[in-house]
Amino acid sequence: NAGVTQTPKFQVLKTGQSMTLQCAQDMNHEYMSWYRQDPGMGLRLIHYSVGAGITDQGEVPNGYNVSRSTTEDFPLRLLSAAPSQTSVYFCASRNTGGHGYTFGSGTRLTVV
Amino acid sequence: TQLLEQSPQFLSIQEGENLTVYCNSSSVFSSLQWYRQEPGEGPVLLVTVVTGGEVKKLKRLTFQFGDARKDSSLHITAAQPGDTGLYLCAGARTGNQFYFGTGTSLTVIP
Repeated sequence: NAGVTQTPKFQVLKTGQSMTLQCAQDMNHEYMSWYRQDPGMGLRLIHYSVGAGITDQGEVPNGYNVSRSTTEDFPLRLLSAAPSQTSVYFCASRNTGGHGYTFGSGTRLTVV
Repeated sequence: TQLLEQSPQFLSIQEGENLTVYCNSSSVFSSLQWYRQEPGEGPVLLVTVVTGGEVKKLKRLTFQFGDARKDSSLHITAAQPGDTGLYLCAGARTGNQFYFGTGTSLTVIP
């Protein structure tokens, strides 16, 4: 099993560009989340999904969109990149009611 | 304002020493998890504690959940260089929200 797969690993964007961060899991987990990690701030929840067709906002949703058309995939879209979105992004999944997350290896995004 | 505060933020110790990392909040959590993260990788789950006062041991690591389920501690005995990493606590509240702490960066010097 691959677990949670994130692509790309690294990305540089210009201000105003859009892009999609990909996330796929092969564990049949219902619950998937996107977090961003910034120095001294821990992990902050951007968006999450409790199942296909259902998404909701986390702590810092502005500037990001998500969709969940299948159980396996949960892409994160940056609509118009800003320097404040420079961060490391992690996708994670777990079973509903399960106690632990499985994380991907992250995408390091730089917006210039 | 972070819901979960971890202390210390940075810790550098010699191999063989003991250490304790704290995770504190004013909120009650239904469960609390500890993760370790290495550079360039995602966090990896170490343990979940659910019951107030619960103590779990994982080899040289001891985890405790506070009686009121608002805080937790991680104690490492005889630290080794392989323990180096970022330690994160995460608390679960009602619903599907997990809140992560600010993290403790541990360096164990050989």
